[in-house]
Amino acid sequence: NAGVTQTPKFQVLKTGQSMTLQCAQDMNHEYMSWYRQDPGMGLRLIHYSVGAGITDQGEVPNGYNVSRSTTEDFPLRLLSAAPSQTSVYFCASSYIGRVGELFFGEGSRLTVL
Amino acid sequence: QQQVKQSPQSLIVQKGGISIINCAYENTAFDYFPWYQQFPGKGPALLIAIRPDVSEKKEGRFTISFNKSAKQFSLHIMDSQPGDSATYFCAAPNDYKLSFGAGTTVTVRA
Repeated sequence: NAGVTQTPKFQVLKTGQSMTLQCAQDMNHEYMSWYRQDPGMGLRLIHYSVGAGITDQGEVPNGYNVSRSTTEDFPLRLLSAAPSQTSVYFCASSYIGRVGELFFGEGSRLTVL
Repeated sequence: QQQVKQSPQSLIVQKGGISIINCAYENTAFDYFPWYQQFPGKGPALLIAIRPDVSEKKEGRFTISFNKSAKQFSLHIMDSQPGDSATYFCAAPNDYKLSFGAGTTVTVRA
């Protein structure tokens, strides 16, 4: 009963480095999304996907890339990390008609020095 | 800017007391209002949700009250327990985007 699995759980980067946060779900959900959580700001949507091959921008997409080659996987790429990207990142998924009923992973805490 | 405004930022309640968290929205296209609960070090999890065609929904000790004309909805935690200590988020989906409030940290003192 894996649900939504995120890796890594913790990562420290230097400014300018690149990395990929991995997300996989085993619930056959069409919809997947990435959020970042910062103190006092709630959860802000970065990118989302309504199916394989289809992605779109959320509220705070700058500095992040995504792709969706399979239903199960939705990786988030940071091309050139900045200290402002220090945050906790959550991947979430749902059935396409139930975007209000998201299943979240346990999060990836990223620190950019 | 946040599409869902949540208050208070934090609250402390004694065991057995009532916790009340409020949210307000502007977009009348919202048609589903979920609340999420998040424990430290974990991802948020759906707690309870309401549609705007009803004014109240109750699940155990958790109740959502919805006021469509005022564009407000609130979460009431009755008989609050130490295990309810968590951060609570209201949210509203529109066009494949789920917008969250800023969150309320609830601490229940034994």
